[in-house]
Amino acid sequence: DQQVKQNSPSLSVQEGRISILNCDYTNSMFDYFLWYKKYPAEGPTFLISISSIKDKNEDGRFTVFLNKSAKHLSLHIVPSQPGDSAVYFCAASNTGTASKLTFGTGTRLQVTL
Amino acid sequence: DAGITQSPRHKVTETGTPVTLRCHQTENHRYMYWYRQDPGHGLRLIHYSYGVKDTDKGEVSDGYSVSRSKTEDFLLTLESATSSQTSVYFCAISEAGPSYGYTFGSGTRLTVV
Repeated sequence: DQQVKQNSPSLSVQEGRISILNCDYTNSMFDYFLWYKKYPAEGPTFLISISSIKDKNEDGRFTVFLNKSAKHLSLHIVPSQPGDSAVYFCAASNTGTASKLTFGTGTRLQVTL
Repeated sequence: DAGITQSPRHKVTETGTPVTLRCHQTENHRYMYWYRQDPGHGLRLIHYSYGVKDTDKGEVSDGYSVSRSKTEDFLLTLESATSSQTSVYFCAISEAGPSYGYTFGSGTRLTVV
């Protein structure tokens, strides 16, 4: 039972354009959402997060949007750079319970020149 | 780096042998987690700890046990390794739960032959 889903295994975007990575969740108890970025042979690194009381959070080139009614969040990267090429994981937690993150299956982003 | 190390980085072992992976942190964080990463599954939680001697199961805990006798070390043991446990294992630490973000180690690639 995949509670956090990333339906696009891969995405290719030209340098300078916008990258949009999507994530859907099924558990309505989730109230905090995060994005992690992973390069090969390294551990994931935290990128950006959003609480369920917000619908948008921005950090530089990265913006996360949350649509609670649709149980959907997205990560926008503008402008995309070659160094953004990595696997991106969406994750969710219920801060009212034990401290656990549930991750999606990941989307591999390739930013081409 | 954030002061989290995993050992070994790579291991090949035979089916039926016991294997222990170590996660060591120097951050004095309360929470520690073990995840495995597999294609098509993303990151799945195996076990986690919310303090010394306080551990709990994640979604894929069968065949694994953990121990945390001191704050800085979290051990993951495969009692009798099987080929289905071939994976990349990541340890993560968190100061106050997932809402504060995890810091991941670099991973251990385990192959069971």
